Amino acid sequence: GQNIDQPTEMTATEGAIVQINCTYQTSGFNGLFWYQQHAGEAPTFLSYNVLDGLEEKGRFSSFLSRSKGYSYLLLKELQMKDSASYLCAVPAGAGSYQLTFGKGTKLSVIP
Amino acid sequence: DSGVTQTPKHLITATGQRVTLRCSPRSGDLSVYWYQQSLDQGLQFLIQYYNGEERAKGNILERFSAQQFPDLHSELNLSSLELGDSALYFCASSVTSGGPGETQYFGPGTRLLVL
Repeated sequence: GQNIDQPTEMTATEGAIVQINCTYQTSGFNGLFWYQQHAGEAPTFLSYNVLDGLEEKGRFSSFLSRSKGYSYLLLKELQMKDSASYLCAVPAGAGSYQLTFGKGTKLSVIP
Repeated sequence: DSGVTQTPKHLITATGQRVTLRCSPRSGDLSVYWYQQSLDQGLQFLIQYYNGEERAKGNILERFSAQQFPDLHSELNLSSLELGDSALYFCASSVTSGGPGETQYFGPGTRLLVL
């Protein structure tokens, strides 16, 4: 099965940088997704990592280490609108592409 | 706007009742996924349909069923409802059956309240 751990909540200041960590255990690795979800709204796709290293996309970057079962999402120049939950997800197992989601990290950006 | 539509947005019903949630995928997408999101459980995969056929099953109760129609829209049927079924139900779609890295696009969700 899959096990995904993320911190439950984080708080950061507008304009700062925040790193949201995700550790996972999965039988067969087929990549890792990050989604953003504002309260009561649909999750929206942020990034997908399948190889080790850092992928940068504007203010958001995502890092993966397959050997450590670890990923992080880095948010730079935080804005108030970045207050949301950030969900880490991995496919359900070897040969499966259905996603198992972590419970999400609720990020609050304060002035 | 992801292009995935869901109706209704809100649904209030009583225990023991049956409801149907509807989802239309993005134009051209062949897969539809259903998820349940409650406060304590997070986003849980229920079931996937691909081009009209059931593709994968997750934590879906026997009281729940789904189908995908020839026009690719999907319906999730929830019966003998219990208080614990109160949750946000999301539908997502993807282009094919869900290959590596294939992004799922989520609809706005249906908020179900069982009283």
